Amino acid sequence: NAGVTQTPKFRVLKTGQSMTLLCAQDMNHEYMYWYRQDPGMGLRLIHYSVGEGTTAKGEVPDGYNVSRLKKQNFLLGLESAAPSQTSVYFCASSLRDRGTEQYFGPGTRLTVT
Amino acid sequence: TQLLEQSPQFLSIQEGENLTVYCNSSSVFSSLQWYRQEPGEGPVLLVTVVTGGEVKKLKRLTFQFGDARKDSSLHITAAQPGDTGLYLCAGARSYIPTFGRGTSLIVHP
Repeated sequence: NAGVTQTPKFRVLKTGQSMTLLCAQDMNHEYMYWYRQDPGMGLRLIHYSVGEGTTAKGEVPDGYNVSRLKKQNFLLGLESAAPSQTSVYFCASSLRDRGTEQYFGPGTRLTVT
Repeated sequence: TQLLEQSPQFLSIQEGENLTVYCNSSSVFSSLQWYRQEPGEGPVLLVTVVTGGEVKKLKRLTFQFGDARKDSSLHITAAQPGDTGLYLCAGARSYIPTFGRGTSLIVHP
């Protein structure tokens, strides 16, 4: 039981490049979330999903898109990366009836130059 | 305006000392979670408190939820270097939690 996994662990992008971050969970959780964590800012919710095929915007969605085609996977896309998107990205998942008890992945450290 | 205020922001103590960190809000939450995050890793859930006035213990950690369900505290007894990390509280009014900015704790041997 791997829990929540994220790929890649590290990535460096040039401004304007695109990439997709992959999150996978093997706990059969209904809810999945993408956060970014910046020094002094805490965890900020980017997008979330309450089930396969559904997504919704969080606190800081601009510049990101997401897709949840399979229950176990939640993808975060950056279409045209900007230096302001340099951050550590965390994926989390939770059960529907315990939605706020989240299980986090190990994070992806992204640098945009 | 941060919905959840955590204090202190930083704490540096010696092994064996006691400490308390606080999580305060003007909003009522249906539940509140505490997480610990070690450098280079994701947050790990420590506890959920649901009932106003509830107290939960996890070894040397004691968590309390305020009577009005607007605030919470985490008390660590006889801190150890292994307690070093970022402590985050998260309040929930639906299935979307709001995180505080965390208390960064360093326990020196």
